[in-house]
Amino acid sequence: DGGITQSPKYLFRKEGQNVTLSCEQNLNHDAMYWYRQDPGQGLRLIYYSQIVNDFQKGDIAEGYSVSREKKESFPLTVTSAQKNPTAFYLCASSMQGLGQPQHFGDGTRLSIL
Amino acid sequence: KQEVTQIPAALSVPEGENLVLNCSFTDSAIYNLQWFRQDPGKGLTSLLLIQSSQREQTSGRLNASLDKSSGRSTLYIAASQPGDSATYLCAVIYREYGNKLVFGAGTILRVKS
Repeated sequence: DGGITQSPKYLFRKEGQNVTLSCEQNLNHDAMYWYRQDPGQGLRLIYYSQIVNDFQKGDIAEGYSVSREKKESFPLTVTSAQKNPTAFYLCASSMQGLGQPQHFGDGTRLSIL
Repeated sequence: KQEVTQIPAALSVPEGENLVLNCSFTDSAIYNLQWFRQDPGKGLTSLLLIQSSQREQTSGRLNASLDKSSGRSTLYIAASQPGDSATYLCAVIYREYGNKLVFGAGTILRVKS
């Protein structure tokens, strides 16, 4: 089955620690995205990548970093510089081209210990 | 800044009722508008996607309309069922932003049996 796999489902971060969220897709999509969702709010774009070895900042990139070394993978690192990391993180992918629909994974919930 | 607004924030209806969820956006220059469903603690499931050139899309008991001139979309759910209980999110791709989805905060729907 084609889809997007996010892991882990739940993640806990200690103060001063960096943590990495995994996102893998087997849809052969060129573009991948990371969103953050806070209670009562819509999703906000953190980073996106249209092609391997290239990515752009979204609306709330501060305190986060990404890499895109393989087409299938787009890991997100939440650094210690992100002072309020508790949220639900969603990864998405789409075909290349403007206006393509995005497909979402099941999310990772990150909490502070 | 382009935004998406959803009204109401929450809705509770008895089973069997027909209902309408509303979404408004700030600029008619869009590629498409998408309606998603999100169950608690889960990712997003795409329900309907309306391209900029279309007026409506239908899938089973769901019908979504698009009026670019007024900046509005509605999601109509016929004969609601308890299984329809979820959060419904509206998202727009504005031409100004390329492939970035801009989300509303969602409508939390509860269908009572």
